[in-house]
Amino acid sequence: GAGVSQTPSNKVTEKGKYVELRCDPISGHTALYWYRQSLGQGPEFLIYFQGTGAADDSGLPNDRFFAVRPEGSVSTLKIQRTERGDSAVYLCASSLNSHTEAFFGQGTRLTVV
Amino acid sequence: AQSVSQHNHHVILSEAASLELGCNYSYGGTVNLFWYVQYPGQHLQLLLKYFSGDPLVKGIKGFEAEFIKSKFSFNLRKPSVQWSDTAEYFCAVASANTGNQFYFGTGTSLTVIP
Repeated sequence: GAGVSQTPSNKVTEKGKYVELRCDPISGHTALYWYRQSLGQGPEFLIYFQGTGAADDSGLPNDRFFAVRPEGSVSTLKIQRTERGDSAVYLCASSLNSHTEAFFGQGTRLTVV
Repeated sequence: AQSVSQHNHHVILSEAASLELGCNYSYGGTVNLFWYVQYPGQHLQLLLKYFSGDPLVKGIKGFEAEFIKSKFSFNLRKPSVQWSDTAEYFCAVASANTGNQFYFGTGTSLTVIP
């Protein structure tokens, strides 16, 4: 499809494990964003890529969280030593550039048990 | 720090009733303002946006929003809701300089009763 694709749609992991969440943006979109949405809250900004580089990572909660976008398209959000508080829906969005409409994916629901 | 407040957490309306959802933001610079909608089981979709110009913005599906700069508000309105408008509505603000790094409100759950 032509939309933003996120995999997996659901991920259950044990506390302390490492997880990777993948985002396939819309083809040609240079800007890519990661957000996290906890129950009853609005999405919270994590990190923004322009091309391959992280233009703004001020939303990453701590150094257990890291994201890459090595070729300027697909991005991976990596979480080390997961904690129960990391349980949330992780949303990815992309846009043609940082000032045009952002399109969101369906999200990955991460549950840390 | 930037913040967005949505005053109505849950709204229940009958079909054909009018809708107004409140949104206030706190931000020191020039902002772009957005309303996103999330229908059950679907991803976030842009409803409408304000960048500059006419403060009354019209979006999809008959929605509109008015930017009142003096009140730091961007309330969403629809004159006559339909059952299909049942969804979660999020107000978001972004710096006009930085683009799509949104600050979202906590959302308003709208239920429209047929």
